[in-house]
Amino acid sequence: GQNIDQPTEMTATEGAIVQINCTYQTSGFNGLFWYQQHAGEAPTFLSYNVLDGLEEKGRFSSFLSRSKGYSYLLLKELQMKDSASYLCAVRDYTDKLIFGTGTRLQVFP
Amino acid sequence: DAEITQSPRHKITETGRQVTLACHQTWNHNNMFWYRQDLGHGLRLIHYSYGVQDTNKGEVSDGYSVSRSNTEDLPLTLESAASSQTSVYFCASSESKNSPLHFGNGTRLTVT
Repeated sequence: GQNIDQPTEMTATEGAIVQINCTYQTSGFNGLFWYQQHAGEAPTFLSYNVLDGLEEKGRFSSFLSRSKGYSYLLLKELQMKDSASYLCAVRDYTDKLIFGTGTRLQVFP
Repeated sequence: DAEITQSPRHKITETGRQVTLACHQTWNHNNMFWYRQDLGHGLRLIHYSYGVQDTNKGEVSDGYSVSRSNTEDLPLTLESAASSQTSVYFCASSESKNSPLHFGNGTRLTVT
């Protein structure tokens, strides 16, 4: 079966660093995506990992370990506008994108 | 600028009615997808298409159908709407199988 686990909710303070974890068990692996979704809006693409290691993009970084079925999204210098849901998604052996239920992040002043 | 648009943005319908949600993209992407999003379930794949005349079932396809007669459009039809199909529906497209998805703004469907 397909299973992608993320924490349901997290809170953090403006200016801090937060790490959102994602573990997966899927039928094959062809890449992992992170999306951001503000309430009432469409998901928007943040990052893509297909090989092990860290991908950095400004204040956001994403890490992948294929052997452990594990990824995390690291958000630095948190801003109020980072309050959103963060969705982990894995592309399986059929190239379909399977989404986790998402992590709702609340940033407080 | 290229975009992906969904219509309507909001729809209320009655149980048993046929409903069609439109999705139109100007990215010229071959790959198009329909997801539904519900609390506690995240985004679940309904149907997808990798090109004209190609359609495939996703994990929650029962009660839904799609057709792909051109590159730009992938309409989603609910054959006989049920209250369990009340949800937010997102259409998405991608350039290739390892490219990120571009999402439409969603359609909020309520079945009464």
